Amino acid sequence: ELKVEQNPLFLSMQEGKNYTIYCNYSTTSDRLYWYRQDPGKSLESLFVLLSNGAVKQEGRLMASLDTKARLSTLHITAAVHDLSATYFCAVTSGGYQKVTFGTGTKLQVIP
Amino acid sequence: GAVVSQHPSWVICKSGTSVKIECRSLDFQATTMFWYRQFPKQSLMLMATSNEGSKATYEQGVEKDKFLINHASLTLSTLTVTSAHPEDSSFYICSAAGSGNQGRHEQYFGPGTRLTVT
Repeated sequence: ELKVEQNPLFLSMQEGKNYTIYCNYSTTSDRLYWYRQDPGKSLESLFVLLSNGAVKQEGRLMASLDTKARLSTLHITAAVHDLSATYFCAVTSGGYQKVTFGTGTKLQVIP
Repeated sequence: GAVVSQHPSWVICKSGTSVKIECRSLDFQATTMFWYRQFPKQSLMLMATSNEGSKATYEQGVEKDKFLINHASLTLSTLTVTSAHPEDSSFYICSAAGSGNQGRHEQYFGPGTRLTVT
């Protein structure tokens, strides 16, 4: 059974600081996703990572994938309050049919 | 981009009644649709996968007679919560994946439906 774990579960950080969220998964995966969820809202797709060594960046967020270590990271650079949300990683295996979500990381950026 | 809608966005119903939630892909054909539920402050849990024109595949622990899923067309899937109880109160999110190049590597998520059973 594919398991996806994130840490930390909760992260409070000051504006302007850098931090990294980690996503570990237990079995070989086809692709890895990062999503953002605001309170009461659905998911917003941030990144799709398809291969080992993949790195994608959008604004202050950068995601990377190490398939050998079964690890993905979401790095936040110079955090701003607008980044406050819950971030989920999700992994597919055996084709894109089934997506298993991580536990989520609630990020709170303090002005 | 690919857009998925859900209706209603929120619903309150009495215990024992049934509620139907619709999920539509607005600008692409969704060969596969997925239904998730999310309890407060928790992650998303896949309930079932439905392919157009065939029976849904339910995840372990999900009662197929309670959560009826119909995927009658390439743009519409419905989830009916039958004989709802307060413990069914949750945030239900659908997603859709298309055929061909569009949606091939990604699921597109609907805005979610918040169900409250009183």
